[in-house]
Amino acid sequence: GAGVSQSPRYKVAKRGQDVALRCDPISGHVSLFWYQQALGQGPEFLTYFQNEAQLDKSGLPSDRFFAERPEGSVSTLKIQRTQQEDSAVYLCASSLEATYEQYFGPGTRLTVT
Amino acid sequence: KQEVTQIPAALSVPEGENLVLNCSFTDSAIYNLQWFRQDPGKGLTSLLLIQSSQREQTSGRLNASLDKSSGRSTLYIAASQPGDSATYLCAVNPSGAGSYQLTFGKGTKLSVIP
Repeated sequence: GAGVSQSPRYKVAKRGQDVALRCDPISGHVSLFWYQQALGQGPEFLTYFQNEAQLDKSGLPSDRFFAERPEGSVSTLKIQRTQQEDSAVYLCASSLEATYEQYFGPGTRLTVT
Repeated sequence: KQEVTQIPAALSVPEGENLVLNCSFTDSAIYNLQWFRQDPGKGLTSLLLIQSSQREQTSGRLNASLDKSSGRSTLYIAASQPGDSATYLCAVNPSGAGSYQLTFGKGTKLSVIP
């Protein structure tokens, strides 16, 4: 079946712009995760949803970052007033349940100029 | 705080060679451990998942072992092929609260030379 999809694949934003990144998880997966991967680093956890409930947002680096999953399926990660340090690959993952194997999408590469 | 280290950072081997990638973690209270592969510009592909109660998992030419008490996992790749060239990441899933937050190492970049 279809895997996790993300759009756009690439996004260039000028400093101060707002961006929205979309994630379509695998159908039927209850759990959805967002990670941030800086160049040359491993991904770092940002936030976790179980259905539509955001149960953990401890990894969000600042209050400029906001995520939602209003109907328990598609999720959007929004970054307001982008800064250069926000440049990274943003990965979305989903799983049947929280502790099960996580399946990752291709990521969105965000470049802030 | 859990820390995951992968050694070596980069590895270059001739085609056909068997190789071992290493992963160590500081907190042995884990639920499971996953090995991923990442190709340039791509997302992560899950290779193997080992539950904390397991010692190893095998898939084709890949074998992953887990020694939870010593905080170590290895990924063994048999008869390497150029198509195996990629960055390999290990990630641990903690037990208890927050048992979904994967903590990743920085990866080992593997190059298999034809």
